[in-house]
Amino acid sequence: GAGVSQSPSNKVTEKGKDVELRCDPISGHTALYWYRQSLGQGLEFLIYFQGNSAPDKSGLPSDRFSAERTGGSVSTLTIQRTQQEDSAVYLCASSLNRASYEQYFGPGTRLTVT
Amino acid sequence: SQKIEQNSEALNIQEGKTATLTCNYTNYSPAYLQWYRQDPGRGPVFLLLIRENEKEKRKERLKVTFDTTLKQSLFHITASQPADSATYLCAPLDQGGKLIFGQGTELSVKP
Repeated sequence: GAGVSQSPSNKVTEKGKDVELRCDPISGHTALYWYRQSLGQGLEFLIYFQGNSAPDKSGLPSDRFSAERTGGSVSTLTIQRTQQEDSAVYLCASSLNRASYEQYFGPGTRLTVT
Repeated sequence: SQKIEQNSEALNIQEGKTATLTCNYTNYSPAYLQWYRQDPGRGPVFLLLIRENEKEKRKERLKVTFDTTLKQSLFHITASQPADSATYLCAPLDQGGKLIFGQGTELSVKP
């Protein structure tokens, strides 16, 4: 079946602009995660959605970052007033129903802020 | 704070040998620990999950151990092949119920 998809695959933006990154999780998966991976670094947790519960936003680095998940499926990560340090690969993952289950990752969106 | 450490240096081995990767964690006791493989330009792929009450877990040529006393997990690939070349990420479950990913160890298997 279809895996996790993300769009766009690459995004180049100017400093100060807003960007939206999209994630389509695996159908039926209730848990959805966003991570950020800088060059040569591990995955940095950003935000976690589980069903209809309030999201865990504890990893968002600043109030310029926000995310929503509509209808328990598609999620959008928004970065306002982008900065050069926001340049990274943004990865989305979904899992069946709990934080501790294996996660299925999308291919990521490479964001470059010039 | 919770901390995960993996070998930062790349591991280079000869085809057919056993690769051993190390993951150390500090300041907590995870109920689970997962290992993922990541190829360049791709998202991580789940390999194995081991629970705190399991000493060892195997899947084909892969073996993971979990030593809660040493606070360490070892990941072994036996009879390694060039296709095993990738970055391997360790991900223990944190106290808040989320996975914390290590920075990964790059493995290169030479023919």
